[in-house]
Amino acid sequence: EDQVTQSPEALRLQEGESSSLNCSYTVSGLRGLFWYRQDPGKGPEFLFTLYSAGEEKEKERLKATLTKKESFLHITAPKPEDSATYLCAVLPHFGNEKLTFGTGTRLTIIP
Amino acid sequence: EAGVAQSPRYKIIEKRQSVAFWCNPISGHATLYWYQQILGQGPKLLIQFQNNGVVDDSQLPKDRFSAERLKGVDSTLKIQPAKLEDSAVYLCASRPDSSSMNTEAFFGQGTRLTVV
Repeated sequence: EDQVTQSPEALRLQEGESSSLNCSYTVSGLRGLFWYRQDPGKGPEFLFTLYSAGEEKEKERLKATLTKKESFLHITAPKPEDSATYLCAVLPHFGNEKLTFGTGTRLTIIP
Repeated sequence: EAGVAQSPRYKIIEKRQSVAFWCNPISGHATLYWYQQILGQGPKLLIQFQNNGVVDDSQLPKDRFSAERLKGVDSTLKIQPAKLEDSAVYLCASRPDSSSMNTEAFFGQGTRLTVV
């Protein structure tokens, strides 16, 4: 069964203090790894898709990277508006296209 | 392009009552997911449809939960009777057909259920 583990569970950073969130995964052939942002009381908002090891995607202060076992979401010089829960999910190549999520990292940026 | 629509946004019911949630996916999306998200946890898959057929319902508590997707478009998720532990946010998501180059799923705003 596909598994996704995210760490840390929660992270508090000062505004401008860069850091990384981790997503470790096991899947029977990766079709895609996804990062989502979720604000309180809202549904997850799609950020990035990564397909193969070595791939990188960037959007504003966020950069996502992928290896064969894990993905990182790097946050550079974060602002308070980056505070949210960040979710990672995997989609396998084989089987029934089940989308499996991790438990998320709750990020708080302190002004 | 319109997003995934869900209703209602909030629902409060007493235990042992029944409740239904509705989802309208993005037009043309073949795959539809229902997830349960308990506060502080990640989304847990309840059921997955491909068009109007069930692909995975292995984690759906079938003694009380049911779901259908009529004509491969809209979907409803029902709970009967509800228990206190069903209090959660119920999320609907949709994805294009597997032949599409785009693989990401898009979510609705969710329905927050409180069982008292």
